[in-house]
Amino acid sequence: EAGVAQSPRYKIIEKRQSVAFWCNPISGHATLYWYQQILGQGPKLLIQFQNNGVVDDSQLPKDRFSAERLKGVDSTLKIQPAKLEDSAVYLCASSNNRGKDYGYTFGSGTRLTVV
Amino acid sequence: AQSVTQLDSHVSVSEGTPVLLRCNYSSSYSPSLFWYVQHPNKGLQLLLKYTSAATLVKGINGFEAEFKKSETSFHLTKPSAHMSDAAEYFCVVSDRASNTGKLIFGQGTTLQVKP
Repeated sequence: EAGVAQSPRYKIIEKRQSVAFWCNPISGHATLYWYQQILGQGPKLLIQFQNNGVVDDSQLPKDRFSAERLKGVDSTLKIQPAKLEDSAVYLCASSNNRGKDYGYTFGSGTRLTVV
Repeated sequence: AQSVTQLDSHVSVSEGTPVLLRCNYSSSYSPSLFWYVQHPNKGLQLLLKYTSAATLVKGINGFEAEFKKSETSFHLTKPSAHMSDAAEYFCVVSDRASNTGKLIFGQGTTLQVKP
């Protein structure tokens, strides 16, 4: 099966600019996660979708980050305006049954550099 | 709250010698535990997972881990390191308390394999 697709792979922007990342999960996977991985740290969950509804966004900085999952398939994560501390790899993952089958597939990530 | 602690940020071994990456967890529920590997500029790949079945779990590429409830540990081992094993390794617990399937990552251990 095809993996989780993410784009772009790399992005460099200036602080206060906006940026968007795209994720296409594995076909049929109802659960979609966005993780932020700062250099030298483990990934941290930003937001979780079940179909097109938000399950958990407690760690999402809502003053600048937003995410949507249209029609329960693709998802976009947006940052506006970006700060230097947003420099990180943004990982998308999907699962076909949240917490039940414990199978998660991760994309290769988008590496964001804010200068 | 559930958490994982990876006891070593960096481990260096010689090719052909055993690998031990240490992980302790904290969980008020019977945990589900995972080890993921991340090669440079690549996505996260599942090595193995424990979900309350056999306490000795075998994974891909010769890795295995043993769940020890009395020690709250889930250490990753491999009898003989290969150069291709050099990567970042993450110990992960699933947040079963929230029933969202959220994954909580440790800080990571960098494995260096010397020729």
